[in-house]
Amino acid sequence: AQTVTQSQPEMSVQEAETVTLSCTYDTSESDYYLFWYKQPPSRQMILVIRQEAYKQQNATENRFSVNFQKAAKSFSLKISDSQLGDAAMYFCAYRRRWGNEKLTFGTGTRLTIIP
Amino acid sequence: ETGVTQSPTHLIKTRGQQVTLRCSSQSGHNTVSWYQQALGQGPQFIFQYYREEENGRGNFPPRFSGLQFPNYSSELNVNALELDDSALYLCASSLGRQGSYSYEQYFGPGTRLTVT
Repeated sequence: AQTVTQSQPEMSVQEAETVTLSCTYDTSESDYYLFWYKQPPSRQMILVIRQEAYKQQNATENRFSVNFQKAAKSFSLKISDSQLGDAAMYFCAYRRRWGNEKLTFGTGTRLTIIP
Repeated sequence: ETGVTQSPTHLIKTRGQQVTLRCSSQSGHNTVSWYQQALGQGPQFIFQYYREEENGRGNFPPRFSGLQFPNYSSELNVNALELDDSALYLCASSLGRQGSYSYEQYFGPGTRLTVT
């Protein structure tokens, strides 16, 4: 079974600074997807960024980028130029590439932005 | 184009009762997944429907059941409610798969269920 671990229950960062959220996962599969989702107090889960395991290049989306280390089974999220609107719970998630679309989530990291 | 919607927003039920939660998929999406998110936890996969057929199930008892309709909207039914069923229930829809490419899931705002 696949597992996803987020070892930082809470993180805080000064506005405009950079913060990195950690995620490790365990799987015996070689082909899969990894995601970071953001869940603000409104509760709606929003996709931040997606990484295909077969791609060596790290994904980037504007101020968000990942550091994907397949051998180490590590998938961290870097948020640059942090903004007040980035405050939320961040969840790392795993999905097999083939088969159904079941997402396996970590327990989340609560990110606070300090003005 | 409307996003994923869920109803109701909040619900309070008594232990032993039955509940039905509803989800309307994003336009054109044929795949719906349901997740349970207990307080302070990440979402847990309940099951998924693809074109009205169940396409995978998580570690949930049979009293959790579902349906997907021809318009791809979906229902989650929970019988014999227990206190531990209190949680946020999230629905997510997607376009499924096209060849080797698998599309992202888009989540609704959830239904907060409280069992007393």
